[in-house]
Amino acid sequence: QSALTQPPSASGSPGQSVTISCTGTSSDVGGYNYVSWYQQHPGKAPKLMISEVNKRPSGVPDRFSASKSGNTASLTVSALQAEDEADYYCCSYAGSNNLVFGGGTKLTVL
Amino acid sequence: EVQLLESGGGLVQPGGSLRLSCSASGFTFDNYGMSWVRQAPGKGLEWVSSISGSDSGGDTYYAASVRGQFIISRDNSKNMVYLQMNSLRAEDTATYYCAKDAYYNRRSHFDYWGQGTLVTVSS
Repeated sequence: QSALTQPPSASGSPGQSVTISCTGTSSDVGGYNYVSWYQQHPGKAPKLMISEVNKRPSGVPDRFSASKSGNTASLTVSALQAEDEADYYCCSYAGSNNLVFGGGTKLTVL
Repeated sequence: EVQLLESGGGLVQPGGSLRLSCSASGFTFDNYGMSWVRQAPGKGLEWVSSISGSDSGGDTYYAASVRGQFIISRDNSKNMVYLQMNSLRAEDTATYYCAKDAYYNRRSHFDYWGQGTLVTVSS
C-alpha cells in the first residue's frame, strides 16, 4: 500500500482555523470508515486525536474535528492555539488487515 | 492509567537480530490487540505489525515490508508484547512504538502509545 497523501505543511495564526487533507484511494480512505488522526510533538509519542473518521476521544478539545468525503479525509483545527503546533498524521485501514499512514503535515502556528 | 513501556532497542549490525519488549499496564491486556509502529529518523509513521487480543497467542498481522522478517507475540500472563526482528537492514533503523489497539481484533486505531525505543542498524 502506498502512503496516504498529506500536504507537508500547513499554517495559521492564533484564533484562526486550518484544515489538513489526507488523500487516499477507494481501497483505503474511501472504502472504510476507519480513518484516524494523530498529533505528534517533537520528540514525543503520537497522540490519538480522532478515530473512525470523526470521533473525538475524551480529553481532546472540541476545536479538533474531522470528516471524510470520497477518498479524502480532513482534519480541522479551529481557534488555533500555540500548543497545536505539531506534526499531524492520518491513518486508514487499507483492507486485508493492513493500516497505512499519511506522510504527515507540519502545522505551524504563526 | 494506561502505560506502555518499550525496551530492547539499541545498535545492531546489519543482518543481526533484536527483540523489542513492551510492558503494558492500566487495562485488561487480554482484551485488546497490540501493535508496533515505527518512525525512521525525520520521517513519518509506518504501521509494522499487530496481534489480536487473545486467551492464548493471538492472530498476527504484518506490513508487507517486514513480513517474514519480524515476528510479533504476546504473553498475557506478563502483560507483555514482543517484536522479534531478524535479518535487520539499515532501512529498519527507526524509533519503534508500542501501541494499544482500540479493539480486540480490528485494524482501526491506536488509543495509547508508548514513548518508543530506538533501533539503529549500522556497522
